[in-house]
Amino acid sequence: DTAVSQTPKYLVTQMGNDKSIKCEQNLGHDTMYWYKQDSKKFLKIMFSYNNKELIINETVPNRFSPKSPDKAHLNLHINSLELGDSAVYFCASSQPQGGGPGANVLTFGAGSRLTVL
Amino acid sequence: QKEVEQNSGPLSVPEGAIASLNCTYSDRGSQSFFWYRQYSGKSPELIMSIYSNGDKEDGRFTAQLNKASQYVSLLIRDSQPSDSATYLCAVNSPGSASKIIFGSGTRLSIRP
Repeated sequence: DTAVSQTPKYLVTQMGNDKSIKCEQNLGHDTMYWYKQDSKKFLKIMFSYNNKELIINETVPNRFSPKSPDKAHLNLHINSLELGDSAVYFCASSQPQGGGPGANVLTFGAGSRLTVL
Repeated sequence: QKEVEQNSGPLSVPEGAIASLNCTYSDRGSQSFFWYRQYSGKSPELIMSIYSNGDKEDGRFTAQLNKASQYVSLLIRDSQPSDSATYLCAVNSPGSASKIIFGSGTRLSIRP
């Protein structure tokens, strides 16, 4: 039973198209994230939601729009795709615990590899 | 200055030896520190978390934290070929406990 699941796993599309990636977690966590990992393997935070509320919004083009219908789901929609958007997008979740043991430990999904041609 | 810095490697260590991975961070107020392992084509998985100064041991892994020096390390004893992976250091941003910042990772190769 997958804890954090993302779909699709692979996405190949043309420049200018719009695409979405979906994420669901069954861990009961309050916080969900989108991270982008580029070809150099650098993992960069994009967005975070806590119980459906946007709490982190890094410097990301506004072509990227996250949506969290409930605390178990976080989707990412990308408009007008560009070549530089090609990357692996990881969804993750965590349960903040006031700084104690286990606080903010991220559980990642398997990743969605986006290739823009 | 990058928020979390790691030597990109590759770090090559003979099987059975100790692998030592290092990480420095820029924000003194950070409270949570993590080491994740990522195999090629897979997602990162937690190896160790550490929240207070000193050493924390879990099996063959030991995390060491020195907040005064803003330094966190991971030691892997009795290195195995299966330890070959990229190791990512991660730190929470002081302004937001939930904002976890990653270093660029150190590629570790265990040679037989």
